[in-house]
Amino acid sequence: EAGVAQSPRYKIIEKRQSVAFWCNPISGHATLYWYQQILGQGPKLLIQFQNNGVVDDSQLPKDRFSAERLKGVDSTLKIQPAKLEDSAVYLCASSSGWSFSGNTIYFGEGSWLTVV
Amino acid sequence: QQQVKQSPQSLIVQKGGISIINCAYENTAFDYFPWYQQFPGKGPALLIAIRPDVSEKKEGRFTISFNKSAKQFSLHIMDSQPGDSATYFCAASGYSSASKIIFGSGTRLSIRP
Repeated sequence: EAGVAQSPRYKIIEKRQSVAFWCNPISGHATLYWYQQILGQGPKLLIQFQNNGVVDDSQLPKDRFSAERLKGVDSTLKIQPAKLEDSAVYLCASSSGWSFSGNTIYFGEGSWLTVV
Repeated sequence: QQQVKQSPQSLIVQKGGISIINCAYENTAFDYFPWYQQFPGKGPALLIAIRPDVSEKKEGRFTISFNKSAKQFSLHIMDSQPGDSATYFCAASGYSSASKIIFGSGTRLSIRP
């Protein structure tokens, strides 16, 4: 089974520039997440999609961040304009949903963003 | 109330020893407590998880101990091996598709050979 695919793996941009990250979840997974992981911290949820609808975007800085999931499969996360504090790893994850045993979330390897 | 507090921040254990990482939560609505393991350059991966209807869950060398009244849970790694060196995150969530998973700040574990 192919895992969660993300690209690009690494990106360096100047502040005030824009950047976009792409994610392809595990086939058949209805739920897709974007997390931000700052060095030395745990992942923080930015946005959660169920199919192509937004379930939670309460921690997404909507003045500069946007995300979409067209056709309920792939997703893109965009930052415009970027700030220095946006330097982080952006993790995409997916899950097939809740079961009796819980909700296993599968993470991609992340997109590393450095804003200079 | 949505926080999950994790300690220690870093931990060094000799090979063969027991590694213990602790977490505490406030929100009594949390109903699912997974632990994730993250190697450098990789995304976190589910290691083991527990629901509060049991006090302990063991999978191989990994054990979660859960204390509902104290709102604390811990990960024990028995016979720790150098390959266990990674960052470990505890997490907590409500038990529904609308619940988001809240992660702790992580523990960087190093196992000395």
